[in-house]
Amino acid sequence: DVKVTQSSRYLVKRTGEKVFLECVQDMDHENMFWYRQDPGLGLRLIYFSYDVKMKEKGDIPEGYSVSREKKERFSLILESASTNQTSMYLCASSRSGATDTQYFGPGTRLTVL
Amino acid sequence: GQQVMQIPQYQHVQEGEDFTTYCNSSTTLSNIQWYKQRPGGHPVFLIQLVKSGEVKKQKRLTFQFGEAKKNSSLHITATQTTDVGTYFCAGYSSASKIIFGSGTRLSIRP
Repeated sequence: DVKVTQSSRYLVKRTGEKVFLECVQDMDHENMFWYRQDPGLGLRLIYFSYDVKMKEKGDIPEGYSVSREKKERFSLILESASTNQTSMYLCASSRSGATDTQYFGPGTRLTVL
Repeated sequence: GQQVMQIPQYQHVQEGEDFTTYCNSSTTLSNIQWYKQRPGGHPVFLIQLVKSGEVKKQKRLTFQFGEAKKNSSLHITATQTTDVGTYFCAGYSSASKIIFGSGTRLSIRP
């Protein structure tokens, strides 16, 4: 089974702090994604990556950056956290095709005070 | 930009009743996927539809892809308490960019 893990289930940070959310997948998937999930808005794509050291902006990249130094790891960085970034963050991976099934991690619920 | 609208946002049914959620895209989709997220869980893939007019069934779940490939539906016959959760559609444009619908949360009265 594909396993996607995220570094924390719950995280509380203060406004202005730098926040790192880590995601690791163990199935040698090429593609990795970061979403945020908010009530009534569904899943919105922040960034995605189709290869190591490659990144593409999704629909809401503002205030975020990403890093993919190794194939299995995709990090989401909030350079200066703000209260409107309080949300559930979901990482996903997929094999290689652009439309392959996505496998999601358990999510990190981030609260920014 | 491209949008995928999903309705209804919430649905509360009596156990045994049927349930349907609909997705509508502003543009033609190359394919569409459906995911289920249980309360407190993460989205899990259910199915993918690719062909115009395609219909697929998984036990009590029936998935349809419209003839114009701009809409899709998920129908559950005779709901059970295990069906509780939020159902998302995810559409892929010709540019292979994924857009998730806002989801339909299904709750069930036993």
